[in-house]
Amino acid sequence: DGGITQSPKYLFRKEGQNVTLSCEQNLNHDAMYWYRQDPGQGLRLIYYSQIVNDFQKGDIAEGYSVSREKKESFPLTVTSAQKNPTAFYLCASSVGGPPGGQPQHFGDGTRLSIL
Amino acid sequence: AQKITQTQPGMFVQEKEAVTLDCTYDTSDQSYGLFWYKQPSSGEMIFLIYQGSYDEQNATEGRYSLNFQKARKSANLVISASQLGDSAMYFCAMREGWYSSASKIIFGSGTRLSIRP
Repeated sequence: DGGITQSPKYLFRKEGQNVTLSCEQNLNHDAMYWYRQDPGQGLRLIYYSQIVNDFQKGDIAEGYSVSREKKESFPLTVTSAQKNPTAFYLCASSVGGPPGGQPQHFGDGTRLSIL
Repeated sequence: AQKITQTQPGMFVQEKEAVTLDCTYDTSDQSYGLFWYKQPSSGEMIFLIYQGSYDEQNATEGRYSLNFQKARKSANLVISASQLGDSAMYFCAMREGWYSSASKIIFGSGTRLSIRP
């Protein structure tokens, strides 16, 4: 079955450490997204990519980095510059380009905590 | 700037009653799409329903319908005959830059719906 796989499900970060969250999709979608969700809050866009080797900053990109070397993969690195990384991270994908009526498909998320 | 507003942080509804979840949006685009998602306590995001800005009829999907009032910039979700399994967070979302290759989707802050037996 096609879908989006996020790993790991739980991740712990030490102070000053970079960690990478994995996101893989086999839906053949062009567009991929990373969101951050704090407890009881909505989703805030970190980065998004409409095509391989290209990505754009979202609303809260500071302290995060991404790469899009393959269509299927969109890893997110939480750097030591992100001082409050504890949150639930969701990866999503969708058919890219117009028209814009295609919904996003989401992974099951990664919960990141500070040790 | 584009924005989604959900003014109801939480709602309690009796089982089998209908419920309306409010969503207003702000955009300068003429072409856009509106989505509703459900997030149970387990955390996954479930797509419920979609409405395009040029769609003349309100979208419906089973027990879900979208009350789209373009002039008022509102896209309220209506759930008929609520069930205990409907208890979850509900998010309204909008795709901006519809015809742009760099379109992105923004989300509202959500409404927590609790169904009473």
